[in-house]
Amino acid sequence: GQSLEQPSEVTAVEGAIVQINCTYQTSGFYGLSWYQQHDGGAPTFLSYNGLDGLEETGRFSSFLSRSDSYGYLLLQELQMKDSASYFCAAGSARQLTFGSGTQLTVLP
Amino acid sequence: NAGVTQTPKFQVLKTGQSMTLQCAQDMNHNSMYWYRQDPGMGLRLIYYSASEGTTDKGEVPNGYNVSRLNKREFSLRLESAAPSQTSVYFCASSDFPRRHTGELFFGEGSRLTVL
Repeated sequence: GQSLEQPSEVTAVEGAIVQINCTYQTSGFYGLSWYQQHDGGAPTFLSYNGLDGLEETGRFSSFLSRSDSYGYLLLQELQMKDSASYFCAAGSARQLTFGSGTQLTVLP
Repeated sequence: NAGVTQTPKFQVLKTGQSMTLQCAQDMNHNSMYWYRQDPGMGLRLIYYSASEGTTDKGEVPNGYNVSRLNKREFSLRLESAAPSQTSVYFCASSDFPRRHTGELFFGEGSRLTVL
């Protein structure tokens, strides 16, 4: 089975940096993915870590440590449009298990 | 490109009624998935299909059936709807196993209410 833990809510101000942590317990772990979902919308893919270390995509970065069963999503230069739910997901693409999501609120 | 298309977008059923959610993708992906999402929760996998003609149960398959009609289409059927199946249903596809990037492409969702 798989289980992922992430904080339920995070609040930050525009222009700040925020980190959303994710710890996981999985069998057959393949990699850690991150998704963004705006209210009423579909989840959209942000990043994937198949190997330990940092992956950077514009303002977003994601990190994985397999030895610690831990990863995080780092959002820099926060914008109002970044207010959304963020989900970590683990496993293989065949069986991706999602965390319960972190609601990020960006304040002006 | 349309990506992943789901129909219907909204549906209200009475307890005991049946219905089928349709999903189609135009990205030539082998793998397709059905997830449900309940308020304040993550997505839970109902069924997935690794290729045409194959389907496997996910985390919450009870009360559902699926059909992988061809490479493009993957339908989800509720034979006898129950209020506990009130949820938002998402269909997704991925290029696994040809490419393993951890990326799923999601449809816009189907909002189902069972009274």
